[in-house]
Amino acid sequence: EVQLLESGGGLVQPGGSLRLSCAASGFTFSSYAMSWVRQAPGKGLDWVSTITGSVGGGSTYYADSVKGRFTISRDNSKNTLYLQMNSLRAEDTAVYYCARAQRITTGVWFDHWGQGTLVTVSS
Amino acid sequence: QSVLTQPPSVSAAPGQKVTISCSGSSSNIGNNYVSWYQQLPGTAPKLLIYDDNKRLSGIPDRFSGSKSGTSATLAITGLQTGDEADYYCATWDGSLSTGVFGGGTKLTVL
Repeated sequence: EVQLLESGGGLVQPGGSLRLSCAASGFTFSSYAMSWVRQAPGKGLDWVSTITGSVGGGSTYYADSVKGRFTISRDNSKNTLYLQMNSLRAEDTAVYYCARAQRITTGVWFDHWGQGTLVTVSS
Repeated sequence: QSVLTQPPSVSAAPGQKVTISCSGSSSNIGNNYVSWYQQLPGTAPKLLIYDDNKRLSGIPDRFSGSKSGTSATLAITGLQTGDEADYYCATWDGSLSTGVFGGGTKLTVL
């Protein structure tokens, strides 16, 4: 059974940093692209970033709103996905979901999702 | 403002059919596959449809997807109260090199 478990969320001040983790199990982690998708309170889904699997060479993609501030990475030996978030802003406040991604550049779809971790940026 | 445009809300009676549209452009829907998600209150999104019209295993055939040009549609037949949820479309935008979601549509089963 595919399982994705996020951790690392919490309260952080504007301008601060946070690192999210997503522990994956139940599938060959290295073979799949992985993504972060966020959802601000009461708002819709917002794609944040994707990293391809081994076949894709670990290529990374970012939403313009986070480019230069967030870094997606993965440790295939630990079956773990990360999102390093720097220079956080109030508008980054959201539930952050880890999701397994398919197809990517010809029409991405997300077939498994974690339960999400809440990031609150506030002073 | 979302790259993909969905109606904010739709409604229909139990047993009826409803359609949810998702409008984009040639850089996204027009040249890439579309997926659809259901999000029940307080839960993570769930994939329903991928590659425009393929149902994920276990998804009832009451749910179907289609695409024409730069627009996609999710149809739900035989509506049930348990279908009340937010629905999102998604795809890749080749010009932006990013994934994109629609703004979401809230389905109310009257």
